[in-house]
Amino acid sequence: QSALTQPASVSGSPGQSITISCTGTSSDVGGYDYVSWYQQYPGKAPKLMIHDVSQGPSGVSNRFSGSKSGNTASLTISGLQAEDEADYYCSSYTSTSAYVVFGGGTKLTVL
Amino acid sequence: EVQLVESGGGLIQPGGSLRLSCAASGFTVSSNFMTWVRQAPGKGLEWVSVIYSGGATYYADSVKGRFTISRDNSKNTLYLQMNSLRAEDTAVYYCATTPRGASRGHYFDFWGQGTLVTVSS
Repeated sequence: QSALTQPASVSGSPGQSITISCTGTSSDVGGYDYVSWYQQYPGKAPKLMIHDVSQGPSGVSNRFSGSKSGNTASLTISGLQAEDEADYYCSSYTSTSAYVVFGGGTKLTVL
Repeated sequence: EVQLVESGGGLIQPGGSLRLSCAASGFTVSSNFMTWVRQAPGKGLEWVSVIYSGGATYYADSVKGRFTISRDNSKNTLYLQMNSLRAEDTAVYYCATTPRGASRGHYFDFWGQGTLVTVSS
C-alpha cells in the first residue's frame, strides 16, 4: 500500500480538464511544500511535470498545473490531448524515515 | 546535456549481491542530490536511497542494512551496492538527480533509462 493515495484511474475527452488528487498526511503533503508530479509512459522513465507543489520545469507545457490544500495535492491538466494519456505519480518529502514517498499512480485515459 | 546511464542489472539468486552503476554526464554527481528509485513490474514507484552532495545518505526501511549508496567523483558515477537480495527487490532501478539549489533531494528532474534487477532462483 502506497504512502500517498491517488485514484487508480481518471479519464477525460480531448479539450477537457481533469484533476488528479494525491492525499497524504501532515508528515508529508500537509507538512511541506515539497510535492512533485511525474508522467510516465509504458516502458519509459518518469518525467518531472511539477515540483514544489506548483512549479513547472522549463519545457513542460503550462497545461499542467499543481496545487495543494491541507493534506491533499492536486494535478490539473487542461486542454487534454491524446499524448497526455499516461500514468501519473505524485510524491512528497516526508519527515518519517521514508524521506520521499510516492502515490500508487493514476492511469489517465483520453477518450 | 544531462545524461544518466544505468548498468549492472541482471538475474541474481536470492541472497546474492549486485552492484548497479549510474554514469552521469553534463553535470557533477558530487554537486547534486543523487537518488535511486525502483519500480517493480507492473507496480508504482518506490524511493530507495539518496546521497547528499555532502555525503550524507538515507535509505528506505525496506533496504536499510542491505543496500549502500555511494559515488566515485573521479568517474562521475553513482552506485548502489545491493546485498542479501530478495524476490521483492525485483524491479527496474532508476537513478535520478535533483537540481543544485534544491533544499532537499525531494524531486527528480533527470532520470536514467533504468536497469532491471530480477531476483529469482
